Amino acid sequence: GAGVSQSPSNKVTEKGKDVELRCDPISGHTALYWYRQSLGQGLEFLIYFQGNSAPDKSGLPSDRFSAERTGGSVSTLTIQRTQQEDSAVYLCASSLLGLEFAEQFFGPGTRLTVL
Amino acid sequence: DQQVKQNSPSLSVQEGRISILNCDYTNSMFDYFLWYKKYPAEGPTFLISISSIKDKNEDGRFTVFLNKSAKHLSLHIVPSQPGDSAVYFCAASASGGSNYKLTFGKGTLLTVNP
Repeated sequence: GAGVSQSPSNKVTEKGKDVELRCDPISGHTALYWYRQSLGQGLEFLIYFQGNSAPDKSGLPSDRFSAERTGGSVSTLTIQRTQQEDSAVYLCASSLLGLEFAEQFFGPGTRLTVL
Repeated sequence: DQQVKQNSPSLSVQEGRISILNCDYTNSMFDYFLWYKKYPAEGPTFLISISSIKDKNEDGRFTVFLNKSAKHLSLHIVPSQPGDSAVYFCAASASGGSNYKLTFGKGTLLTVNP
């Protein structure tokens, strides 16, 4: 079956512009996660959606970052007024249940470069 | 502060030999640990996990050992194969309200030479 897909695979933008990154989770997965991996760093948790519950936004680095999940499926991560430090690979993952023992399946990521 | 540390950025081993990847953690609340494998231009894929109630978990060529008193875990790959060449991430989570939140190390690049 289809895995987690993300688009675009690469995005180059100018400082100050807004960007939108898209994630299509595995069908039927109720939990969705966003992470980012900056150069030389591990994956950093950003936000978590589980069903109709309020999302856990505790990992978002600033109020320029926001995310939504429409219809319990597709998610969009929006970064407003991008800065050079936002350059990273943004990874989306989904799991069948939002439990610690539920395997998180990752997409290939979107490489964001802010010039 | 890094709560999950992988102090070796890279490791090179010969095909057929054992690969040992190490991971240390500082948060005593972590009680579930995972290893992910990542090839270039792909997302990480789950490899093996271990709960804190165990000290060893084995799956084929992969074994994870957990030493809770030392806050240390390791991944053993025996025998190593060239296809195992990838970046390996150690991750941890804590039971409770945010048990879905994984904390990752920076990764270790394993190269298995034919």
